[in-house]
Amino acid sequence: DVKVTQSSRYLVKRTGEKVFLECVQDMDHENMFWYRQDPGLGLRLIYFSYDVKMKEKGDIPEGYSVSREKKERFSLILESASTNQTSMYLCASTGEETQYFGPGTRLLVL
Amino acid sequence: GQQVMQIPQYQHVQEGEDFTTYCNSSTTLSNIQWYKQRPGGHPVFLIQLVKSGEVKKQKRLTFQFGEAKKNSSLHITATQTTDVGTYFCAINSGNTPLVFGKGTRLSVIA
Repeated sequence: DVKVTQSSRYLVKRTGEKVFLECVQDMDHENMFWYRQDPGLGLRLIYFSYDVKMKEKGDIPEGYSVSREKKERFSLILESASTNQTSMYLCASTGEETQYFGPGTRLLVL
Repeated sequence: GQQVMQIPQYQHVQEGEDFTTYCNSSTTLSNIQWYKQRPGGHPVFLIQLVKSGEVKKQKRLTFQFGEAKKNSSLHITATQTTDVGTYFCAINSGNTPLVFGKGTRLSVIA
């Protein structure tokens, strides 16, 4: 079974803090994605990566950056967290066109 | 970029009633995928449709791909409380990331 894990299920941070969200997949997938999910807005793509050290902006990259130093790990970074970044963050990887999602990190920025 | 419209946004049904959610695109699709997200959970892949007019069934769930490959539907017969959740369609074109519909949240009243 494909497994996508995320470092935290719940996270509380203060405005201005630097936040790291980690995602690891164990199926040797090349493609990895970060989404945020907000009520009424569905899944919005933040960044994605098709290979190590490669990254592409999604639909809402502002305020975020990513790092992909190893194939299995894709990190989302909030350089200076703001309250409007309070959300559910979902990581996913793709194998044979199917997306496998991690359990999500619910981030609250105070 | 490519977009997909999904309706309705919400649906409340009595247990035992049927439920249908629809996805529509203005362009011809190569394929369409469906995902289910239980409350508090993450999206889980259900099925992929590829062929024009394709109909696939998974127990009480029936998935259809339109003849013109521009629309798709998910129909649940005789809903149960275990069907509660948000159902998403997702489309892709070539090497671009999946584009998700905004989802239909299904509530089932026992």
